[in-house]
Amino acid sequence: DAKTTQPTSMDCAEGRAANLPCNHSTISGNEYVYWYRQIHSQGPQYIIHGLKNNETNEMASLIITEDRKSSTLILPHATLRDTAVYYCIVRSYTTSGTYKYIFGTGTRLKVLA
Amino acid sequence: EAGVTQFPSHSVIEKGQTVTLRCDPISGHDNLYWYRRVMGKEIKFLLHFVKESKQDESGMPNNRFLAERTGGTYSTLKVQPAELEDSGVYFCASSPWRDEQFFGPGTRLTVL
Repeated sequence: DAKTTQPTSMDCAEGRAANLPCNHSTISGNEYVYWYRQIHSQGPQYIIHGLKNNETNEMASLIITEDRKSSTLILPHATLRDTAVYYCIVRSYTTSGTYKYIFGTGTRLKVLA
Repeated sequence: EAGVTQFPSHSVIEKGQTVTLRCDPISGHDNLYWYRRVMGKEIKFLLHFVKESKQDESGMPNNRFLAERTGGTYSTLKVQPAELEDSGVYFCASSPWRDEQFFGPGTRLTVL
């Protein structure tokens, strides 16, 4: 029941913006898009989330297309410590009224010095 | 504030044996989730507790898996008997309500 597709890997030069795309063409109207990242041997760490408006926090920006079929996570000034696997996630509601995360396969971002 | 903790960090067992994984959520978080990633696949939802009640266990692969959350605090996930295809990383996450989930470091399970 994968709902997101992401490129397998990307490189980015240190100090430059990293733009990570995600397609979620089957997303439903009440499903949020979440982004997490996983640094080696740690658990996934929350970055940002949104429904239909663009969002920004201290870590990143999230741009969601008007039709909500895709989004882009932007790390404005990538550092070596941003090297990680980035997961685009759909937060899906269940029939029991709760919700769960549906993970994509992730993009392995490598920031190059 | 302590994060989500999981024990053990690694477990290596023989096929047919039993293994119990433990998760301690962040204090005060009523919601507790289990996920796993098996080799080459994406991270997948297993089940969701609200306090001690199972809200959704639609992701549990079969009846060899049993999750409990006694008293609404820590949770255990038991695999009995373990099979080769159960190898992977098991993650636990917790959240206060409909907020972002906080993940633990995971338990790497290897079934030989």
